[in-house]
Amino acid sequence: QVQLVESGGGLVKPGGSLRLSCVTSGFTLSDHYMSWLRQAPGSGLEWLAYISGSGDAIKYADSVKGRFTISRDNAKNSLYLQMDSLRAEDTAFYYCARRGDYFHSWGQGTLVTVSS
Amino acid sequence: DIQMTQSPSTLSASVGDTVTITCRASQSPSGWLAWYQQKPGKAPKLLIYKASNLESGVPSRFSGSGSGTEYTLTISSLQPDDFATYYCQQYNTYSRTFGQGTKVEI
Repeated sequence: QVQLVESGGGLVKPGGSLRLSCVTSGFTLSDHYMSWLRQAPGSGLEWLAYISGSGDAIKYADSVKGRFTISRDNAKNSLYLQMDSLRAEDTAFYYCARRGDYFHSWGQGTLVTVSS
Repeated sequence: DIQMTQSPSTLSASVGDTVTITCRASQSPSGWLAWYQQKPGKAPKLLIYKASNLESGVPSRFSGSGSGTEYTLTISSLQPDDFATYYCQQYNTYSRTFGQGTKVEI
């Protein structure tokens, strides 16, 4: 069955960087757009970025444009989110999801905490 | 960006009730609208896509409708497993946006 497993979250200081990974199984990653989303504790959902199956089409939310970079390695069945210049307001659970329009399957999430 | 506003924010209901959640958009998403269910500590789960298409495996007591700027999610005969938070999401523009959520509680 379809599985997405995020990792790489943790505690980081403001201005720092973190790289999240999402390992997928149960489907052919290269056939699908993939997305990253987040949810601050006790808050709603926010879409961050999507990437096409080949990686040649990428879009970002304004809130992370220029700071976050989405990428993928289809041979490794993996999706990534490089997060730079992190701010306190980036504290959230980060989810990877299949598709770029609506979000069909989600990982369990990884918590990123930005604090000094 | 298209702003999505859900109402109500919280809904109190009982098992067996029929409940309706409304999602209003600042401009029409042209039917490109999805609904999700989220339980505490869990990832969201897709229920409905393209406004009224039921995702495979989702019980038929869930239904979606709407057009233009107003969309609804209806849960018929509410079950104990349905107490959760529900979100709408538009995908007409590349900047995908969600409603703020509706918590369905006992």
